[in-house]
Amino acid sequence: QKEVEQNSGPLSVPEGAIASLNCTYSDRGSQSFFWYRQYSGKSPELIMSIYSNGDKEDGRFTAQLNKASQYVSLLIRDSQPSDSATYLCAVNLFGGYNKLIFGAGTRLAVHP
Amino acid sequence: AAGVIQSPRHLIKEKRETATLKCYPIPRHDTVYWYQQGPGQDPQFLISFYEKMQSDKGSIPDRFSAQQFSDYHSELNMSSLELGDSALYFCASSSDSEAFFGQGTRLTVV
Repeated sequence: QKEVEQNSGPLSVPEGAIASLNCTYSDRGSQSFFWYRQYSGKSPELIMSIYSNGDKEDGRFTAQLNKASQYVSLLIRDSQPSDSATYLCAVNLFGGYNKLIFGAGTRLAVHP
Repeated sequence: AAGVIQSPRHLIKEKRETATLKCYPIPRHDTVYWYQQGPGQDPQFLISFYEKMQSDKGSIPDRFSAQQFSDYHSELNMSSLELGDSALYFCASSSDSEAFFGQGTRLTVV
């Protein structure tokens, strides 16, 4: 079992819809969770961080964390074609070590 | 705002040669991470440093080594290069837990 798991997609949504991206992690003690967006050939760009259970909203993005279920999600409202990218879930493993582990990423395609 | 700087941006090496990749973290960031990303793959954690000391190690081949210097810049040294080492190499830095990535070095081994 991979430490961080995501559906690879592609996830295809129409412009203006809500895109829902999911991620599960195996280390129950993990404390820090991140969503990165990566365009092809470019570096990952941090878009959301979340540390406690519940929802965190930033503009069109909402991150949701459920530590009991070891589940973190990202909602993108009013999806735009420019949101088409690979979304990487990343988890900082428990133990105080600096080891940020990525999932395989979900490819999102927003079509006009 | 200053970002993570990586050099060179592109590098072409022959098999069995050596390559050195450099990373200059965001000022006042105390942690540096190195990642390798092959085509269509997720970033694979190689190694990290906290306050100039190695703090964690991932799937880094024995042919690779890294260090962080007194000015906090870091170098990834790769020896006996193989075709399979061709990838994007990213460096990231953080001061708490949020890590920010450089633009990467594209290494091509021929």
